[in-house]
Amino acid sequence: QITLKESGPTVVKPTQTLTLTCTFSGFSLRTNEVGVGWIRQPPGKALEWLALIYWDDDKLYSPSLNSRLTITKDTSKNQVVLTMTNMDPVDTATYYCAYTNWGAFELWGQGTMVTVSS
Amino acid sequence: DIVMTQSPDSLAVSLGERATINCKSSQSVFSSANNKNYLAWYQHNPGQPPKLLIHWASTRESGVPDRFSGSGSGTDFTLTISSLQAEDVAVYYCQQYYSSPRTFGQGTKVEIK
Repeated sequence: QITLKESGPTVVKPTQTLTLTCTFSGFSLRTNEVGVGWIRQPPGKALEWLALIYWDDDKLYSPSLNSRLTITKDTSKNQVVLTMTNMDPVDTATYYCAYTNWGAFELWGQGTMVTVSS
Repeated sequence: DIVMTQSPDSLAVSLGERATINCKSSQSVFSSANNKNYLAWYQHNPGQPPKLLIHWASTRESGVPDRFSGSGSGTDFTLTISSLQAEDVAVYYCQQYYSSPRTFGQGTKVEIK
């Protein structure tokens, strides 16, 4: 059974760096074609894809946020970490991590709400 | 970037009636290498994570009721709920995974009339 769970701060101040961790079970990031992505949803708005990391360490980023995002994996801990620098109130959102085996996001974590406020 | 545009933004359908959601991509998401459309549909309820319903444009995920169906190819796609049930009230998103960035549509809210 595949599960994913996001963890990190619920509140960050403007200009700070956000670090979110996705801890997963039921699959390995050493397996071909497997990846973990991050997606967010600001309150009342649509889903927005942020980043994706694959088993071979290939990394994809949203062009609009590329300069602020870093995605890494720790296969021994079954974790994927997303960092986002220079946080702004517009970055207030629910952040999800999700599993992919061939492209679509098959399973998602429950999400974690992050508020950017001073 | 491939822009995904859904229509309508919202729709209200009577219980038991058909609901149809359209999704148009700004570029083709069809690959002639494997004859597949890189298009997925998700159902999203408030307070829950999105749920994958359809992948490869028309393949239902395991456990998804057969009243949900996906169709289309290239740049034009449709999600159909053949007989709307109360539990189908949600926001539905299309997403392309043909290229990076993996873009979503703006969502379509489905309600009961």
